[in-house]
Amino acid sequence: SQQGEEDPQALSIQEGENATMNCSYKTSINNLQWYRQNSGRGLVHLILIRSNEREKHSGRLRVTLDTSKKSSSLLITASRAADTASYFCATGDQTGANNLFFGTGTRLTVIP
Amino acid sequence: EAGVAQSPRYKIIEKRQSVAFWCNPISGHATLYWYQQILGQGPKLLIQFQNNGVVDDSQLPKDRFSAERLKGVDSTLKIQPAKLEDSAVYLCASILSGNDEQYFGPGTRLTVT
Repeated sequence: SQQGEEDPQALSIQEGENATMNCSYKTSINNLQWYRQNSGRGLVHLILIRSNEREKHSGRLRVTLDTSKKSSSLLITASRAADTASYFCATGDQTGANNLFFGTGTRLTVIP
Repeated sequence: EAGVAQSPRYKIIEKRQSVAFWCNPISGHATLYWYQQILGQGPKLLIQFQNNGVVDDSQLPKDRFSAERLKGVDSTLKIQPAKLEDSAVYLCASILSGNDEQYFGPGTRLTVT
């Protein structure tokens, strides 16, 4: 299966702390993306990192990619209650079809 | 810019009944996807359209699911007949051709009783 797996499945932290989520995948990829999903809503794109990149930043988000280990991590710094959501990694395959294969998600709870 | 629109937002049907979902992608987005998201899992791709043609439907259960995008704009996903295990959120997404970021609609939550 090309689907990724996130770790941990659930994470609970205090507001202001940092949150780290990990993603592992099995096949070669073109890119890896992270999405956020608030309860009962659609997914929102957070950040995309290409297979030839190792690290990328966007605001309070930092993503790393290690293609040799087939893994990625998402760091959210200075967390806020509004960051409470499920976070999914999705891998884009190399076929050029722009298909995404989503992991099972990490449920993040930020306690005010 | 308007986002991806989906309707209905919620639908409850009995097993063996039929149901249809509608999606209108962002204007100008040539590629449209339908995903199924079962509770507690990540979205799973069902079908991908490029304009009005199917690019990938390898994970679509074709014995009961069908989808069309006749004019290359909005799309309809149909389930006939529905089974209990079809209970899920059905998400529609679109992208500009050549752009890797997908834009998702709010989804349709289907409950099959």
